[in-house]
Amino acid sequence: QVQLQESGPGLVKPSQTLSLTCTVSGDSISSGNYYWSWTRQQPGKGLEWIGYIHHSGSTHYTPSLQNRLTISIDTSRNQFFLHLTSVTAADTAVYYCAKAVPVYFDPWGQGVLVTVSS
Amino acid sequence: ENVLTQSPGTVSLSPGERATLSCRASQSVAGNYLAWYQQKPGQAPRLLIYHAYNRATGVPDRFSGSGSGTDFTLTISRLGPEDFAVYYCQQYGSSPITFGQGTRLEIK
Repeated sequence: QVQLQESGPGLVKPSQTLSLTCTVSGDSISSGNYYWSWTRQQPGKGLEWIGYIHHSGSTHYTPSLQNRLTISIDTSRNQFFLHLTSVTAADTAVYYCAKAVPVYFDPWGQGVLVTVSS
Repeated sequence: ENVLTQSPGTVSLSPGERATLSCRASQSVAGNYLAWYQQKPGQAPRLLIYHAYNRATGVPDRFSGSGSGTDFTLTISRLGPEDFAVYYCQQYGSSPITFGQGTRLEIK
């Protein structure tokens, strides 16, 4: 079955760019009418959808982050990516990737904690 | 954006009891495109229900979803010890996708 795994630096300095990779296994990222999504969860808080991408390259972003956000995809590597610029402490969170079917999320990766601190 | 409000914030019940969790939307959810997720400490969310009442693969039939428009409910008919967790609703009928703030289901 499809599995997703997030990877990337656990610590990012303020004002720098947060970059994460989600590697998909057990399924082709190019198959079907699926989107590939990012969601985050600040410590002790609820879930916040960030955005998603289709293998065609079409993207949808949440308005509050769209000025700092880029989601991209590499179908040859079965990976998709998150880039968030000009980060602050408010961007400290566990970041999850998930398969969007096409807009409810199943399954999810295990998540990666990213801390923004100098 | 469509704001989802879940109630109660926390509910304390005993194993074997019935749990009823509510999710109210600020606007009608288009297509009744509403999902429910379960999250246990240190774990990723797990899809339980999609399109308001469809159980995801492998979800026990004690979990059921209902509702339409702006009012939705997740019911757990007989609580097992593994059901104590935080539950989130999510709407995907309009952009941006939004989640409720969660209901914590704790053991009484």
